[in-house]
Amino acid sequence: QVQLVQSGAEVKKPGASVKVSCKASGYTFTSYDINWVRQATGQGLEWMGWMNPNSGNTGYAQKFQGRVTMTRNTSISTAYMELSSLRSEDTAVYYCARGTTLLDYWGQGTLVTVSS
Amino acid sequence: DIQMTQSPSSLSASVGDRVTITCRASQSISSYLNWYQQKPGKAPKLLIYAASSLQSGVPSRFSGSGSGTDFTLTISSLQPEDFATYYCQQSYSTLGTFGPGTKVDIK
Repeated sequence: QVQLVQSGAEVKKPGASVKVSCKASGYTFTSYDINWVRQATGQGLEWMGWMNPNSGNTGYAQKFQGRVTMTRNTSISTAYMELSSLRSEDTAVYYCARGTTLLDYWGQGTLVTVSS
Repeated sequence: DIQMTQSPSSLSASVGDRVTITCRASQSISSYLNWYQQKPGKAPKLLIYAASSLQSGVPSRFSGSGSGTDFTLTISSLQPEDFATYYCQQSYSTLGTFGPGTKVDIK
């Protein structure tokens, strides 16, 4: 069965970076894009960007351009999302999700807390 | 970027009610519109893709319609497990965006 398993919760100080992982199983990792979506407490879903695990090509929402980097390690079927220059407003649950024109499988979410 | 709006932002309904949620795109997105359901503390779940196609395993009481800029999600007979927040998402652009969500709660 398809599964996306994300890394555990993180606490970071303002100005630091965080790198969240998303390990895929149950399908061919390079056949589907990985998207990243975040959700602040009590707020809606915010799409951050996508990565093609086969080519490594990426596309980022303008809001995150220059601060987000999406990468992958195909040998271990794992995608990564790194967000730098963290600020308190980046406190949120970060999800990875599989798909291109639709997001059919989602990770369990990773809580990133930014606090001094 | 393509902007998505939803209405209403919240609604109260009873079990058995017919519920309709509307999503509007800031430009034509053809049928590149998906609907997700999210329950508290859980990841979103895909319900409808390509505006009107039911995702495998999703009950037939859920349906979607529309094209261009205006779309609708309908729940024909609301069940207790349907109380949740619903989001639309456009996939016309490679830079996907979500609507702000519609919370469906118990009347």
